[in-house]
Amino acid sequence: QQQVKQSPQSLIVQKGGISIINCAYENTAFDYFPWYQQFPGKGPALLIAIRPDVSEKKEGRFTISFNKSAKQFSLHIMDSQPGDSATYFCAASPLYTRTSYGKLTFGQGTILTVHP
Amino acid sequence: DARVTQTPRHKVTEMGQEVTMRCQPILGHNTVFWYRQTMMQGLELLAYFRNRAPLDDSGMPKDRFSAEMPDATLATLKIQPSEPRDSAVYFCASGLNRQGSETQYFGPGTRLLVL
Repeated sequence: QQQVKQSPQSLIVQKGGISIINCAYENTAFDYFPWYQQFPGKGPALLIAIRPDVSEKKEGRFTISFNKSAKQFSLHIMDSQPGDSATYFCAASPLYTRTSYGKLTFGQGTILTVHP
Repeated sequence: DARVTQTPRHKVTEMGQEVTMRCQPILGHNTVFWYRQTMMQGLELLAYFRNRAPLDDSGMPKDRFSAEMPDATLATLKIQPSEPRDSAVYFCASGLNRQGSETQYFGPGTRLLVL
């Protein structure tokens, strides 16, 4: 129930195209859904995050779409650029309480390659 | 530009040797996480500290791994004895870890190879 399933494992997109990565979860206690971006040889870095009280969040070319009833969320990268080539991880954590700490459960990652 | 720092960045050792990895969290962050990343398992949480106290180390093999925070500026992850299956990239992350400030800031990682 703690799993976050991410697809696809790898994705190749042409420059200017739209990249879409999907994640699904089972734990209804999850309350916070971030996406992390990781370049080779670097640690993951927060890209964008959403809470379930909204269905969409947009920051520049990056958009999270969230479907609470389906327990799915996705990352859309508009006008994909070669510099976006990286590994993307979705994650989820439960609501913070005095006894929990919002442990992040990560998806398996998607390797995105954007061809010039 | 505040960053999480980790040392060493690379470590090659032989099976059976002790390995110690160090992390300096961002000043003012009260939580530290240790993760292990492999191709097969992805990102796995090994241990979590809040205000230097270990709150969750359920993801860590207890017989050979240990994690400590001697002070607020240093977290350590130790493997003794190391085994080839420990080969992975180990990340430390820090954060404020509270509602509204959930971002975890990852260090550059320690790439460990156990021969």
